[in-house]
Amino acid sequence: DAGVIQSPRHEVTEMGQEVTLRCKPISGHNSLFWYRQTMMRGLELLIYFNNNVPIDDSGMPEDRFSAKMPNASFSTLKIQPSEPRDSAVYFCASSPTSGTGDTQYFGPGTRLTVL
Amino acid sequence: AQSVSQHNHHVILSEAASLELGCNYSYGGTVNLFWYVQYPGQHLQLLLKYFSGDPLVKGIKGFEAEFIKSKFSFNLRKPSVQWSDTAEYFCAVMPISSGSARQLTFGSGTQLTVLP
Repeated sequence: DAGVIQSPRHEVTEMGQEVTLRCKPISGHNSLFWYRQTMMRGLELLIYFNNNVPIDDSGMPEDRFSAKMPNASFSTLKIQPSEPRDSAVYFCASSPTSGTGDTQYFGPGTRLTVL
Repeated sequence: AQSVSQHNHHVILSEAASLELGCNYSYGGTVNLFWYVQYPGQHLQLLLKYFSGDPLVKGIKGFEAEFIKSKFSFNLRKPSVQWSDTAEYFCAVMPISSGSARQLTFGSGTQLTVLP
């Protein structure tokens, strides 16, 4: 299996621009998670989906952030408008719901820089 | 809400030294426990996990961890580290409750530097 796929791997944008991060979970996994990693705050869970439905978005920092999962194989995290403090590495992870259902497998991350 | 403490922020060892990284969590109920490793510039990879059974779990690359329920701890160990073990190590806790998707709470991470 190819693992969790994220794109782009690096994104540099200017303040005020819209940014869209993409994630393809491992095939057959039912849960998908978006995390943000910064030096100051470490790894934070932003939102997670189960069977394409958002379950908990309490970690989403502001209304500027939104996430969607239109189908089982694709999710997006959008920031609009972006701000310099959004600069971070954004990880997507997925997990199955049976067997080792509690193990999350992480993608390579998207390093976002907002100038 | 649960929390995870990794008291060692940065550990520096020479090759062949033994390693123990501390992890304590605060949650009164049943938990699943994980250690992830993040090599420089890479994504998080699962080192090992504890769900139930033998509290001493063995993971990849010679790592092991021991779950001590009475101490709410899940310390990571390796008898002899290598230069290639230089990375950041994250402890994570998942409370077991009803619901089909469960959330991980990560510790702040421990940066391990192994000197050749």
